[in-house]
Amino acid sequence: GDSVTQMEGPVTLSEEAFLTINCTYTATGYPSLFWYVQYPGEGLQLLLKATKADDKGSNKGFEATYRKETTSFHLEKGSVQVSDSAVYFCALRSNDYKLSFGAGTTVTVRA
Amino acid sequence: DTAVSQTPKYLVTQMGNDKSIKCEQNLGHDTMYWYKQDSKKFLKIMFSYNNKELIINETVPNRFSPKSPDKAHLNLHINSLELGDSAVYFCASSWGNEQFFGPGTRLTVL
Repeated sequence: GDSVTQMEGPVTLSEEAFLTINCTYTATGYPSLFWYVQYPGEGLQLLLKATKADDKGSNKGFEATYRKETTSFHLEKGSVQVSDSAVYFCALRSNDYKLSFGAGTTVTVRA
Repeated sequence: DTAVSQTPKYLVTQMGNDKSIKCEQNLGHDTMYWYKQDSKKFLKIMFSYNNKELIINETVPNRFSPKSPDKAHLNLHINSLELGDSAVYFCASSWGNEQFFGPGTRLTVL
C-alpha cells in the first residue's frame, strides 16, 4: 500500500538556520504530494503541494520539489524563525479521497 | 467565518461511557473525514464520507460509528469508551486535492 516515511524528530534549530526535513514515499501510480503544518494546539494546515513530477511547491519561505526518480519530497527553508516551531507532516494522495501521512517531525526553533 | 468546526474541543469521560463529537463544514465540500492523532502525533484516517455515503472505513473498532445527516456534517459516536481511545480527533473536508482540518477534539478517557 501507499506509505510515507519522513525523518524522525525532534529537530531543534536556532533562528536563521537552514531547515531540511526529508520525506520519501511509496505509491502506485502518480500521487500528489503535500506538506502540512500543525502549530501547537491547532489543526493541520496545508503548507504546500505538488501534483506532478518536477513540480515545486512553495509557501511562507518553504519549498519542496517532487522528485519521481528518488521518490522524495523534501521540505526546506533557508532561514527559520521562532514562529516556524510546529509539527510538519508529509503526505501523499494517490486516489480521489485518501491521504496517507508520515509520522510527523517536531521542529523547535530557538531565539 | 469558521471553515471546519468541531465540538467539543475537550472531552473528559470515564471508561465505558458513550460520547459523540460533532463536525460541521461551511465550505460546500462533498467529502468529509475523521482522523485520529495519538500521543506521538501519528495521524491515521478512520472514516470518509462523500455526499453522505461512506467511502473509507479503515480498521476501526465497531464501537466507532460515523453518521452524516447531510453533506455539511459528519459526527462521530463512540460506544463503551476505552483508555486507548484517548487521542485528538480531527475532522476534515476536501475539494479536489486539498483537505481542510478542524481544530481537533482532545478526548481523555479516565
